[in-house]
Amino acid sequence: KQEVTQIPAALSVPEGENLVLNCSFTDSAIYNLQWFRQDPGKGLTSLLLIQSSQREQTSGRLNASLDKSSGRSTLYIAASQPGDSATYLCAVRWVYGGATNKLIFGTGTLLAVQP
Amino acid sequence: DGGITQSPKYLFRKEGQNVTLSCEQNLNHDAMYWYRQDPGQGLRLIYYSQIVNDFQKGDIAEGYSVSREKKESFPLTVTSAQKNPTAFYLCASSMLGTYQETQYFGPGTRLLVL
Repeated sequence: KQEVTQIPAALSVPEGENLVLNCSFTDSAIYNLQWFRQDPGKGLTSLLLIQSSQREQTSGRLNASLDKSSGRSTLYIAASQPGDSATYLCAVRWVYGGATNKLIFGTGTLLAVQP
Repeated sequence: DGGITQSPKYLFRKEGQNVTLSCEQNLNHDAMYWYRQDPGQGLRLIYYSQIVNDFQKGDIAEGYSVSREKKESFPLTVTSAQKNPTAFYLCASSMLGTYQETQYFGPGTRLLVL
């Protein structure tokens, strides 16, 4: 069964700290992996998408890495700010999904950055 | 502004009642999706559609129905057969046939049972 797991479920850090969020997935035959941000009661915003042939993607203070062989991805946030406080979700599209672009989501990591 | 709109923001359902959640997009995306989000759980796919007048069941389609009469619109009906409808419902859309295929999400509708 294709599953996505995110640990920890919640994380609290002081402002300015660098942090890493973890995502693991069963079955390395992925098509791509995405990281999303969700603010309370809101929809999801795509942060980074990594194709299976890529090792990492960067956007501003965010860097996402992908290691298919170990079934892991990390989201690195540099110099965290209170505005980064949100739930971060990892989602995987596997090759078997065909043209449907079906995503399997993890349960998310709730991040709180303390001022 | 291009984007996805969902309405209403909050919806209340009485026992035995069918309710319909609206989702509209002006991104000219081919595919549209409905997800359900429960506390402490990830998003789960209810239905998806890749083309007008065609749609497929996702992982938790029981108790739900959809239609896709227009490319821009993908309404979701929560029927009385859905015994535990209280959840946050998210609609998304994406292009197909492109390398990126990022899904774009609407703001969500929270459904509560009276």
